[in-house]
Amino acid sequence: EPEVTQTPSHQVTQMGQEVILRCVPISNHLYFYWYRQILGQKVEFLVSFYNNEISEKSEIFDDQFSVERPDGSNFTLKIRSTKLEDSAMYFCASRARGVTVGYTFGSGTRLTVV
Amino acid sequence: ELKVEQNPLFLSMQEGKNYTIYCNYSTTSDRLYWYRQDPGKSLESLFVLLSNGAVKQEGRLMASLDTKARLSTLHITAAVHDLSATYFCAVVNTDKLIFGTGTRLQVFP
Repeated sequence: EPEVTQTPSHQVTQMGQEVILRCVPISNHLYFYWYRQILGQKVEFLVSFYNNEISEKSEIFDDQFSVERPDGSNFTLKIRSTKLEDSAMYFCASRARGVTVGYTFGSGTRLTVV
Repeated sequence: ELKVEQNPLFLSMQEGKNYTIYCNYSTTSDRLYWYRQDPGKSLESLFVLLSNGAVKQEGRLMASLDTKARLSTLHITAAVHDLSATYFCAVVNTDKLIFGTGTRLQVFP
């Protein structure tokens, strides 16, 4: 069964450093998303991406965040200057065209900011 | 702003018993999903509910949707330990998913 692949699985970074989280969505999917989940809490929407541009972003997705689909297969989330409160599990998701299809989530990247 | 609430937040139940998790949402939506999450793991899709009155069943889990009441239920029949996990409902809003608060289910012998 096709999967959404995320790397790395765990990243530890110092406060103020830039991090890039990588995702390879399912190949025929057209819609891409990033979500985050702070430990023990619910899953929160960050951003959606379609046709090489942001469709929608949440209040969490401020100027320190950016997304990119640099080569037609990877989908990246960059955090420019990490803060302690950015520590969370970050999930990438993708889906195909159509309202009846599901959203497939990747295995996640656990980001720890120290 | 769409709000999605689940109850209970935590459910400890004995093997063999039945129980229902409730998911309420605040504004109209035409799609609702249920996901399972094991500790430290990703979100596994369980059900997609697309219309009012939709009912889906898989094994010991059955999900239903009442769009008029803005309510979905996830019913667990004769619980087994392997069902221990956190269950999230998620409602579609302008293409993105808005997740509920989650219900942590623990099944004990």
